Amino acid sequence: SQQGEEDPQALSIQEGENATMNCSYKTSINNLQWYRQNSGRGLVHLILIRSNEREKHSGRLRVTLDTSKKSSSLLITASRAADTASYFCAILTGGGNKLTFGTGTQLKVEL
Amino acid sequence: DAGITQSPRHKVTETGTPVTLRCHQTENHRYMYWYRQDPGHGLRLIHYSYGVKDTDKGEVSDGYSVSRSKTEDFLLTLESATSSQTSVYFCAISEPGTSGRASEQFFGPGTRLTVL
Repeated sequence: SQQGEEDPQALSIQEGENATMNCSYKTSINNLQWYRQNSGRGLVHLILIRSNEREKHSGRLRVTLDTSKKSSSLLITASRAADTASYFCAILTGGGNKLTFGTGTQLKVEL
Repeated sequence: DAGITQSPRHKVTETGTPVTLRCHQTENHRYMYWYRQDPGHGLRLIHYSYGVKDTDKGEVSDGYSVSRSKTEDFLLTLESATSSQTSVYFCAISEPGTSGRASEQFFGPGTRLTVL
């Protein structure tokens, strides 16, 4: 399967701490995207990193991509209770316009 | 939810009945997608469309059909619903990015379907 696999499956931290989630995949990609899903809601796009990029920032989010290791990481700095959600990576492979999603990391940020 | 609506939002039906879910967008985006989300599986692509009357199968297309007669509407039909199709269904839209490939996707609020 080309599916991205997130690690860990679940993560619980205290407010103010940093949260790191990892995504591994098996094939070459065009880009890799991260999404957030709050309970009972649709997914929200967070950040897109292209295969020729190594790092991107957006506010408190930092994404890295290592194509040689076929892996990406999402770092959320200074986490807040509102960051509690599931986070998914999704890969776009070169041949089409379809994203393949991983199974997600459930992040809980406690006060 | 970026101008995407799904209807109905909740539906309970019986095995063997046909079911149609509707996705409507006001963004004039070219690509539209139907996913299902189940515990332990993440999101899996059912069908997608890259233009009016242009559709293609995804990872889990068996038992589903789609139609897109207008840019703004993408219909998902379960011809004869089964209990294994109990799931949450999400519609998404996107536009070609600078490379010509689909860029980020915008998701609808989801439809919770229960097949008894």
